[in-house]
Amino acid sequence: TQLLEQSPQFLSIQEGENLTVYCNSSSVFSSLQWYRQEPGEGPVLLVTVVTGGEVKKLKRLTFQFGDARKDSSLHITAAQPGDTGLYLCAGRDDKIIFGKGTRLHILP
Amino acid sequence: SQTIHQWPATLVQPVGSPLSLECTVEGTSNPNLYWYRQAAGRGLQLLFYSVGIGQISSEVPQNLSASRPQDRQFILSSKKLLLSDSGFYLCAWSRKGVDEAFFGQGTRLTVV
Repeated sequence: TQLLEQSPQFLSIQEGENLTVYCNSSSVFSSLQWYRQEPGEGPVLLVTVVTGGEVKKLKRLTFQFGDARKDSSLHITAAQPGDTGLYLCAGRDDKIIFGKGTRLHILP
Repeated sequence: SQTIHQWPATLVQPVGSPLSLECTVEGTSNPNLYWYRQAAGRGLQLLFYSVGIGQISSEVPQNLSASRPQDRQFILSSKKLLLSDSGFYLCAWSRKGVDEAFFGQGTRLTVV
């Protein structure tokens, strides 16, 4: 069974700071997805990375897929309180599996 | 466009009572369907997934069961709830061969 490990589990930083969270696996994935979840709601897809070494940008969020397609990172520049939430990475073997997430809290 | 409906949004049930949570998808056909459980705002634990009518794969031995009586309907059930069944239950769908999942709003289940 493929597993996705996310780090850190929790992160609390001041508004305006930069941060990076990680998603790692010992297995190769054809693609990885990043989702963001607000309390009491379902996760919402942010991005899919497909090609090894791929970098995608979504405003202040930069997503990177590792060259070996076993890991991914999410970098947020100049974090804002609206970035607060649970960030989940996911991948698929024959079903979609999720990491345990990074809970991010941005202090105003 | 595709939409997914999940209900109820919240549910409080006594220990030993039955459970039925329903999820339906509109605007697509032959989707893959998933039930996840999330505890304490952490990651999603895959409970069941289905690639077609009547086809259910169970990921975790437990007090729950799932059924797919129609192409776009996925039901999560229990005959007798346990306290440990409390949690946030999420239904999701994906297209065949596509890695992206789309989620319902979730059901907050509290077993008392």
